[in-house]
Amino acid sequence: NAGVTQTPKFRILKIGQSMTLQCTQDMNHNYMYWYRQDPGMGLKLIYYSVGAGITDKGEVPNGYNVSRSTTEDFPLRLELAAPSQTSVYFCASSYSGLAGGSTYEQYFGPGTRLTVT
Amino acid sequence: RKEVEQDPGPFNVPEGATVAFNCTYSNSASQSFFWYRQDCRKEPKLLMSVYSSGNEDGRFTAQLNRASQYISLLIRDSKLSDSATYLCVVNIRGSQGNLIFGKGTKLSVKP
Repeated sequence: NAGVTQTPKFRILKIGQSMTLQCTQDMNHNYMYWYRQDPGMGLKLIYYSVGAGITDKGEVPNGYNVSRSTTEDFPLRLELAAPSQTSVYFCASSYSGLAGGSTYEQYFGPGTRLTVT
Repeated sequence: RKEVEQDPGPFNVPEGATVAFNCTYSNSASQSFFWYRQDCRKEPKLLMSVYSSGNEDGRFTAQLNRASQYISLLIRDSKLSDSATYLCVVNIRGSQGNLIFGKGTKLSVKP
């Protein structure tokens, strides 16, 4: 299993440009998450999804959009990039069973380092 | 009050030392607890879950005190490779699997 993979690893955007950060997991996890981590700071939740077709906002959703058309993929879209979106973006996944068996342990991808100038 | 609080460190210790990290959480509905490790410029990785009875994994021991809303991590016989930031993480009942991450405690093990 590759686990959680993210592309690209690095990206530089100009102000106002748009891009999509890709995230794929092959662990058949139903829950997926997007976080950002600014230098020296903790992780902040941007969006999460509890299954295909279901997404919800986290702590810092402004300026971002997500979709979840399959169990495996959870892309994050940045529209009109701003310098405040310069950060490292991590995707994560976990399993939660309806009849119990939820572990809540999240597994992270290697991250995408984004700079907006 | 922050939901998960940790001493940011850094903790600078010699190889072989024993080091303890503490963490407090504010939400009494917290139900699952973890320690993650994050190396510089890398993703967080699960180190261990923390169980009510306390648990040990090799040189690592985690303890939970629900009454005091306090979690600890003890590392014995520190190795150079233990140098990293250690994140205290909590799941709150009803939060749909969302985790609350502390800002982390930085550990530097010196030869």
